[in-house]
Amino acid sequence: SQQGEEDPQALSIQEGENATMNCSYKTSINNLQWYRQNSGRGLVHLILIRSNEREKHSGRLRVTLDTSKKSSSLLITASRAADTASYFCATVRSNDYKLSFGAGTTVTVRA
Amino acid sequence: NAGVTQTPKFQVLKTGQSMTLQCAQDMNHNSMYWYRQDPGMGLRLIYYSASEGTTDKGEVPNGYNVSRLNKREFSLRLESAAPSQTSVYFCASSRLTGPMGAFGSGTRLTVV
Repeated sequence: SQQGEEDPQALSIQEGENATMNCSYKTSINNLQWYRQNSGRGLVHLILIRSNEREKHSGRLRVTLDTSKKSSSLLITASRAADTASYFCATVRSNDYKLSFGAGTTVTVRA
Repeated sequence: NAGVTQTPKFQVLKTGQSMTLQCAQDMNHNSMYWYRQDPGMGLRLIYYSASEGTTDKGEVPNGYNVSRLNKREFSLRLESAAPSQTSVYFCASSRLTGPMGAFGSGTRLTVV
């Protein structure tokens, strides 16, 4: 089974609204990463948060990490049509540094 | 452009045929990965190589073999293709615990 699980599977919002998606994982991690994938393309790295960090910001992105709950959230503020994509969380495990992805959240931003 | 180069982009195989997917990175990364992506499943790790000379199984290694030829190159081989291996395959590279340096553009493989 996959290490990370995103929730919700799909999200549809109006341009200008915020989008929040969550990721839960199972084992101890070194870090957690979020990626974006536009339809038919490869993945683009968005942000990395280490296990000793609780929150990080990058532009309109805000990521939180709660290692006690083994969960993370990605917030996209003031969404734009160009944010329409699938978003994946990925974890790097502490013991073997394997990078594993969740199934992703598909975000649709309506103009 | 620097990054991960993956070939071929498209391939159609008949059941039982073999093929090798090639991947090369020029970012001097130690770690390289092969993933497959199926609809609704996200990316699943097939094999990875934490450093030159080492390879390890991921979540779905059955039916695949890999070779870490040198630091730059990491190939994925299907010895006897099956329809269940129809998927999009991505190669990626990274420093050991850092973010992915880049993903390849993907190989869309169809096994008939």
